[in-house]
Amino acid sequence: GAVVSQHPSWVICKSGTSVKIECRSLDFQATTMFWYRQFPKQSLMLMATSNEGSKATYEQGVEKDKFLINHASLTLSTLTVTSAHPEDSSFYICSARQGNYNEQFFGPGTRLTVL
Amino acid sequence: AQSVTQPDIHITVSEGASLELRCNYSYGATPYLFWYVQSPGQGLQLLLKYFSGDTLVQGIKGFEAEFKRSQSSFNLRKPSVHWSDAAEYFCAVGANAGNMLTFGGGTRLMVKP
Repeated sequence: GAVVSQHPSWVICKSGTSVKIECRSLDFQATTMFWYRQFPKQSLMLMATSNEGSKATYEQGVEKDKFLINHASLTLSTLTVTSAHPEDSSFYICSARQGNYNEQFFGPGTRLTVL
Repeated sequence: AQSVTQPDIHITVSEGASLELRCNYSYGATPYLFWYVQSPGQGLQLLLKYFSGDTLVQGIKGFEAEFKRSQSSFNLRKPSVHWSDAAEYFCAVGANAGNMLTFGGGTRLMVKP
C-alpha cells in the first residue's frame, strides 16, 4: 500500500513552453501533497505544500506564478512549470500523506530538461 | 527553524566493511527523523524512521540508526555493506510524521569491490 506515482517520469521541452507534472496517490486519499525540487548532486528542497481544495503554500523564493500547483482531488496534484527556462531543469519529486500526522510517501520523481 | 547536517559528502567503503553515515539535526522539539536512500535517477526509498520509543531503530536492507538526543544525532549504520548499497543517502527531520521534511545535503556512498 501507500503508493505514489508521477507522470511523466521524464520530459524534455523547449524554452518558453509549459510542462505539467502529475502526482497521484494510488491507494489512499492524500489530503496533503508536497512538491520538492532536486538539482543535480544536491539535496531536496521543498517548493510548496498543497492541501486538497485550497491554494498551495509556497516556500520563500519559489515563484507561485511560475510553478502552478493544483490539488483538485484527493488523489491528484499537478505542478505546471510555466514558460520553462533551462534553469528550471531539475528533478521534481512529490510526496503525499493522508491526514495531518500520517507519514508521507514519495513518488519516483520527474526529470525535467528544458532546452 | 529546523535543519539537518550530513557532514560527509562522499564516503567510500569496501564491500563487507561496516558503515556509519552521520546526521546531525537542529530542532526545537522532539523531532521526527528519517533516513532515505536514492539510487541514480530514482525517487526516495524510506530506510527507517524514528518517532518515539526505542532509540535504536531497525530498517530495511539491514540498516539501523540510533537517536541520541544529547548529541542531536541520528546516525545510520550497517554492519556489512553490499555493492548494491552504493547510492545517495539523505537524512531528514520533520515536526511530525506527516509534516514537510527538511533534508540534509546527502552522503554519496561508494562501495569498493
